[in-house]
Amino acid sequence: GEKVEQHESTLSVREGDSAVINCTYTDTASSYFPWYKQEAGKSLHFVIDIRSNVDRKQSQRLTVLLDKKAKRFSLHITATQPEDSAIYFCAARSTGGYKVVFGSGTRLLVSP
Amino acid sequence: DMKVTQMPRYLIKRMGENVLLECGQDMSHETMYWYRQDPGLGLQLIYISYDVDSNSEGDIPKGYRVSRKKREHFSLILDSAKTNQTSVYFCASSLSRGADEQYFGPGTRLTVL
Repeated sequence: GEKVEQHESTLSVREGDSAVINCTYTDTASSYFPWYKQEAGKSLHFVIDIRSNVDRKQSQRLTVLLDKKAKRFSLHITATQPEDSAIYFCAARSTGGYKVVFGSGTRLLVSP
Repeated sequence: DMKVTQMPRYLIKRMGENVLLECGQDMSHETMYWYRQDPGLGLQLIYISYDVDSNSEGDIPKGYRVSRKKREHFSLILDSAKTNQTSVYFCASSLSRGADEQYFGPGTRLTVL
C-alpha cells in the first residue's frame, strides 16, 4: 500500500524566513495530496492541497510543489510568522481511492 | 458552525476494560473516520464509515470495532483494552467518500493502565 514519508521531523526557522517541508510517496497511482496543520494541543485542520494534474499551487504564503517523476511534494511557507509554528502533516490519496495516508509530521518552530 | 465533536476528551482505563469513544458531526457528512495518533507515526486509519451501517477496515483495525447507526454519529469500541492502545484518537468526517477535505474533531486522549 501507499507509504508517505516526511523527511524532517523538526524544522526551526527565524520569523520572516522561508520554510520548506518535504514529503515522498510510493504509489504512482496517488493523485491527491493534502496538507494539514496541527497547532499545539489542538486538532488538525486542512491548509492546502494539490492534485496530480498540476505541479504547483499557491495560496497566500503557502505554495505546494509536486514532482510526479520523483514522487515528491513539498510545502513552502514564505515570510514565516510565530503562528505558523505547528506540526504539518502531508498526505496522499490514490486515484479512485477513499483512504488518505498521512506522513509522520514535521514540527515547524518559528522563533522571533 | 461546522463541527466535529468527540467525547470524552480524556479517559483512563485499566487493561481489560471496555472503552467507548463517541464522535458526532453536524454537517450531514456521509463519510467518517477514526484515526489514532502516536508520536513519530503520524495518523493511522483504524476504520472508515461510508454511511450508516457501511463500515470498512482501515490500516490498523485489530482490537477495534465501530458502530454507525445514525449518519451524524460514529462510535469506536475497544473490547478489553490493551496498554498498547494508549493513544490519542481522532475522529474526522468528509462530505462524501470522494470528498477532499476532512474535518477533524478535538481528539480523545486514552490511557490504558
